Amino acid sequence: GAVVSQHPSRVICKSGTSVKIECRSLDFQATTMFWYRQFPKQSLMLMATSNEGSKATYEQGVEKDKFLINHASLTLSTLTVTSAHPEDSSFYICSAGRGTAGHLPTNEKLFFGSGTQLSVL
Amino acid sequence: SQQGEEDPQALSIQEGENATMNCSYKTSINNLQWYRQNSGRGLVHLILIRSNEREKHSGRLRVTLDTSKKSSSLLITASRAADTASYFCAPMEYGNKLVFGAGTILRVKS
Repeated sequence: GAVVSQHPSRVICKSGTSVKIECRSLDFQATTMFWYRQFPKQSLMLMATSNEGSKATYEQGVEKDKFLINHASLTLSTLTVTSAHPEDSSFYICSAGRGTAGHLPTNEKLFFGSGTQLSVL
Repeated sequence: SQQGEEDPQALSIQEGENATMNCSYKTSINNLQWYRQNSGRGLVHLILIRSNEREKHSGRLRVTLDTSKKSSSLLITASRAADTASYFCAPMEYGNKLVFGAGTILRVKS
């Protein structure tokens, strides 16, 4: 099956610094990638939809200036947490699909990265 | 987009027993997908059932879909300790993103 690589798997940073998380589709072109955030023992919260070559679409309540998303190529999307604070500590997961314009075609499944545990001190 | 609601929230069974998890959703869908998440990891796609299908099998997994009741169930037969994980359903409308419910935490005791 398709592989999505997410890096780093774990990062610890100081408050006020920025952290970049990468999500790569290794063996397919991902026109659409999704970024999720997950708190312990809770579900995944969709943060934004990343579209190759265009601006990301953010879900309500997610600060786009805080969580910068760049999808510069068909195989790479990055999420940058800017000026991180302890409350940004969370598990961040990306996923990729072959859809276009932020949508998945019917009967399309997602391929998930292994996640990044961010801890802000 | 819509969200599935899984039931029960948590399930604890003995190895070898069957595990059944249910999912309900609100509006019309094109397909419904089930995913598994091991602790601290990403999600793994288990199975997809189309709106015109009523039942689907994959190994020890059996998924049913009742569009009239807007519900689905995931049955894991002959459970193993390795099946311990969180399970999420994701109802999907055409051209929509996947939004996950709270999930069912399954614990299989050996």
